[in-house]
Order: sequence, then C-alpha cells, then structure tokens
Amino acid sequence: DSGVTQTPKHLITATGQRVTLRCSPRSGDLSVYWYQQSLDQGLQFLIQYYNGEERAKGNILERFSAQQFPDLHSELNLSSLELGDSALYFCASSYRDRGTEAFFGQGTRLTVV
Amino acid sequence: GEDVEQSLFLSVREGDSSVINCTYTDSSSTYLYWYKQEPGAGLQLLTYIFSNMDMKQDQRLTVLLNKKDKHLSLRIADTQTGDSAIYFCAGSGRTGANNLFFGTGTRLTVIP
Repeated sequence: DSGVTQTPKHLITATGQRVTLRCSPRSGDLSVYWYQQSLDQGLQFLIQYYNGEERAKGNILERFSAQQFPDLHSELNLSSLELGDSALYFCASSYRDRGTEAFFGQGTRLTVV
Repeated sequence: GEDVEQSLFLSVREGDSSVINCTYTDSSSTYLYWYKQEPGAGLQLLTYIFSNMDMKQDQRLTVLLNKKDKHLSLRIADTQTGDSAIYFCAGSGRTGANNLFFGTGTRLTVIP
C-alpha cells in the first residue's frame, strides 16, 4: 500500500458527461501528480500541483482540469467525455515538488460508453 | 518532451536473471526510475538512480546507467514467478520537476 488513495476505483459513464476523480496523497506529501494510462498513448503525465498551486502541465486536454485543496487532496475533473478518454487515471504524490520519488495510487479506471 | 523506449516483452525461466533495458533521449533527467505494475494494480516504485551514479544495487535489483549512451537497465537476480509484471522506466522532466516521462513498459513473463 503506497498510502495514496484514489476514489472511485471504477467509473462507467456516457459520452458527453462530466466526472470527478479524487486523490488523497500520502500523509505529509505536498505534491500531487495526475497521469493517464491508455492502450494507445501509454502512461502520460497530465498535471502537477504543489501545496495548492499548479506546478507543471503535461498533455492535459482543455476539457480536463484539476485542483488541489487546502487539505492537499486533489480532484481531476473530466468533462465532455469522449470514448477515447477511457483509461486508467493515476494519482501520485511526493513530499517535494522535484527530484524525489513519487508514490502512485491504485488508479481509477474510467470507461466511457 | 522526453522519449523513453523499452522492448515490449521479455521471458525468462525462474531462477535466471532478467535484464530489462531502456533508452532515453533527454540527458537532463535528474533521476531515473523503475516502476513495476502488476495486473490490475497501480505503479510500485522499485528503485531509482541519481543521474551522476553509474550503478545502484538494492537486494535482487541492480540498476546500471550509461549516461553517454543514454541507456538504463534493470537486472533482477534469481527471478521469481512473482516478478511477472510490466516494468516501466521513467525519467524526470527537463525542469527537474517530478513529472515523469514513462517508457512503453516491458512485460516480463517468468516461466516456472
């Protein structure tokens, strides 16, 4: 158990809908990262927050947004969902914002039908 | 962004050593990582190596880094059936931040 908690574990929704994925980092970790794992794109970095502020952005679509709250948990919002958004979404956390190991949650499997 | 390449499949017999290879393009990565993903599970950090090191050993795991050739390898000694999984190498981003660039993953199958 990495100490990173993601909910829900599975999510099935229809195209055009909006969902929110939640992540609680390990106790004491200030940085949260979101990754998407899909069959065609592999594992891709989406976005990073550190102590409530956006720190780095990767291949995140404009339809997707994220935030990190004062209690350091994070949410990833996916809107206007398309079939191609079906993937495993991972959250990771680390103490610092760079140069340290990141610990991953179990992921949320999103299926868009 | 950085490109990280791995071979897709590797099969070894139980008790043999496994060597998983990775090549990367961005030499500015501060850390290079190996993660393990078992079926239906998240990513488990196995080990990492700082970019100014050539080798790191951690029990059955040995990481070798050749910065000149931008080549990273993970050797698993005495491979067990429980080692069957997908192994990802990853580099940290150009800025040194911890946003990781992952390889395609190598599926290791251990034959009893």
